[in-house]
Amino acid sequence: GEDVEQSLFLSVREGDSSVINCTYTDSSSTYLYWYKQEPGAGLQLLTYIFSNMDMKQDQRLTVLLNKKDKHLSLRIADTQTGDSAIYFCAVMNTGFQKLVFGTGTRLLVSP
Amino acid sequence: DADVTQTPRNRITKTGKRIMLECSQTKGHDRMYWYRQDPGLGLRLIYYSFDVKDINKGEISDGYSVSRQAQAKFSLSLESAIPNQTALYFCATSDPRGKDEQYFGPGTRLTVT
Repeated sequence: GEDVEQSLFLSVREGDSSVINCTYTDSSSTYLYWYKQEPGAGLQLLTYIFSNMDMKQDQRLTVLLNKKDKHLSLRIADTQTGDSAIYFCAVMNTGFQKLVFGTGTRLLVSP
Repeated sequence: DADVTQTPRNRITKTGKRIMLECSQTKGHDRMYWYRQDPGLGLRLIYYSFDVKDINKGEISDGYSVSRQAQAKFSLSLESAIPNQTALYFCATSDPRGKDEQYFGPGTRLTVT
């Protein structure tokens, strides 16, 4: 089945850029997502990219997709303390229409 | 009001007890899901339902059962709780049209002692 991997932790200073990486195994995935989980809350969709795109920009967020290497990244520009959260990469399983989540990356932004 | 609600929000129970977690949604979505979250393991799918008459096992369904009572309601049961079912449980809904975004409830923190 699909396997989605992320590093567990990332620590940055306020104002720096953050880059969170994700690798996946199913090359036929259609949609790839980034979800954000704030403390004590459920997950919320942050952004997504369709598999025929290489890049998507949405204000401070940039998503890069390298289909050849099956690598997805999320760049947060001018990272703020309010961006501290767990970020999950998720890939749509085209065979069964289910999402497969990565382990989540805990982003800590220090002042 | 929240679109996806879960009850209870927190529960402590003893080994061997039966427990039910409930999920309700007002989004009008046919698809509903139950996940559990464990530190370092991300979210893993327990069961999913694409409509009221459709129930499917996810990757970790052993020890769990579900009931889809109506389009808006999807409950998860632990027939005989065990300590390694201590986790954060999330319900989610989705609409397959468009980008198929999943909408999550606030979670239920379950502790089995």
